[in-house]
Amino acid sequence: AQKVTQAQTEISVVEKEDVTLDCVYETRDTTYYLFWYKQPPSGELVFLIRRNSFDEQNEISGRYSWNFQKSTSSFNFTITASQVVDSAVYFCALNAEWETSGSRLTFGEGTQLTVNP
Amino acid sequence: GAGVSQSPSNKVTEKGKDVELRCDPISGHTALYWYRQSLGQGLEFLIYFQGNSAPDKSGLPSDRFSAERTGGSVSTLTIQRTQQEDSAVYLCASSRSGNTQYFGPGTRLTVL
Repeated sequence: AQKVTQAQTEISVVEKEDVTLDCVYETRDTTYYLFWYKQPPSGELVFLIRRNSFDEQNEISGRYSWNFQKSTSSFNFTITASQVVDSAVYFCALNAEWETSGSRLTFGEGTQLTVNP
Repeated sequence: GAGVSQSPSNKVTEKGKDVELRCDPISGHTALYWYRQSLGQGLEFLIYFQGNSAPDKSGLPSDRFSAERTGGSVSTLTIQRTQQEDSAVYLCASSRSGNTQYFGPGTRLTVL
């Protein structure tokens, strides 16, 4: 069965610090998709990124970057020069094992990031 | 509309009553999903629709929960004889088949 682990329940940083959110996943499939979503206090889940298992290139989007390493089954997310508006719960999710799990997303428990001014 | 919409945004009901939650997916998205988010359980999958059919209902927690989708668009999640443990935020998402799921703002259900 597929599983996603976000070991960091809460992280608190001061504005302008860099912060990395960890995500470790488990699946027996060789083809799968990984996602990060942001959930601000308003509650809506906002899509940030989708990666497939065959593309291990790191990705950068502005202050956000993602490090995908199949060897360690990790898909970590780094925010550079954090800002107060980055405060939110961040979820890592996996879509795999379609024969048994269909198209569902399996989510980690989420990491609450607080950026203090 | 541009995104997934859900109604109502908040619902307070008494234990034992039935409730209906509505989801309007992004236009053109053939797949629709329901999830539930509660404090103790995190984000849980409930049901998946492809068009009007539901190939995966395995996440529905009991037979008090049902869902339907009509016209390949709007979906309704119905909870009968609500219990306090049903209190949660119910999230709907839609996607083009097999692609990224985009979520609505959710319905916060409180069962007194």
